[in-house]
Amino acid sequence: DARVTQTPRHKVTEMGQEVTMRCQPILGHNTVFWYRQTMMQGLELLAYFRNRAPLDDSGMPKDRFSAEMPDATLATLKIQPSEPRDSAVYFCASGLGQPSTDTQYFGPGTRLTVL
Amino acid sequence: AQSVTQPDIHITVSEGASLELRCNYSYGATPYLFWYVQSPGQGLQLLLKYFSGDTLVQGIKGFEAEFKRSQSSFNLRKPSVHWSDAAEYFCAVGITGGGNKLTFGTGTQLKVEL
Repeated sequence: DARVTQTPRHKVTEMGQEVTMRCQPILGHNTVFWYRQTMMQGLELLAYFRNRAPLDDSGMPKDRFSAEMPDATLATLKIQPSEPRDSAVYFCASGLGQPSTDTQYFGPGTRLTVL
Repeated sequence: AQSVTQPDIHITVSEGASLELRCNYSYGATPYLFWYVQSPGQGLQLLLKYFSGDTLVQGIKGFEAEFKRSQSSFNLRKPSVHWSDAAEYFCAVGITGGGNKLTFGTGTQLKVEL
């Protein structure tokens, strides 16, 4: 049963620290998404990649967030420096085809708390 | 820009009762429509999706949804709810142009009373 995996599942850090979240997409999937879920904003798309190339990162605060895919089996989302308002659950999802039309397979999420 | 509205934040039903979760979208043409479910502590899982054709769509776990163009709605239904259906349900809209991304509704939290 192929699944998207994310590490860590939980992260508590202090304001100003760097946070790195990792995602392993389902093998063979060529599209990877990063979402953020908060009570106030709901589920927001931060960025997505196709074939490891960033296609859209318009939802991501550029000054502190960065997303990369060093290889086809690893996607990373970094926050530097972190702020309390970054506290949220961050989901990675992967899929085949178009983001707007095809099924996305979500990981279990990383719950980030910034104190 | 497209938008999706889920008017019910919380719904409580008794086990065995029928369920309908509402979803309305705003877009000039027929979008791609999805329902996802999020169990506690888990990521989202696709229940069903609609692109075209038969307006009644069958999904996993006994769920179905009906697309009604005249009402711009895509409501999710289940004839008999099980306690394991307690979760948060998200409707989503996808447009191939204008950003090529999914827009999610705010979700409906379902509680099932035994």
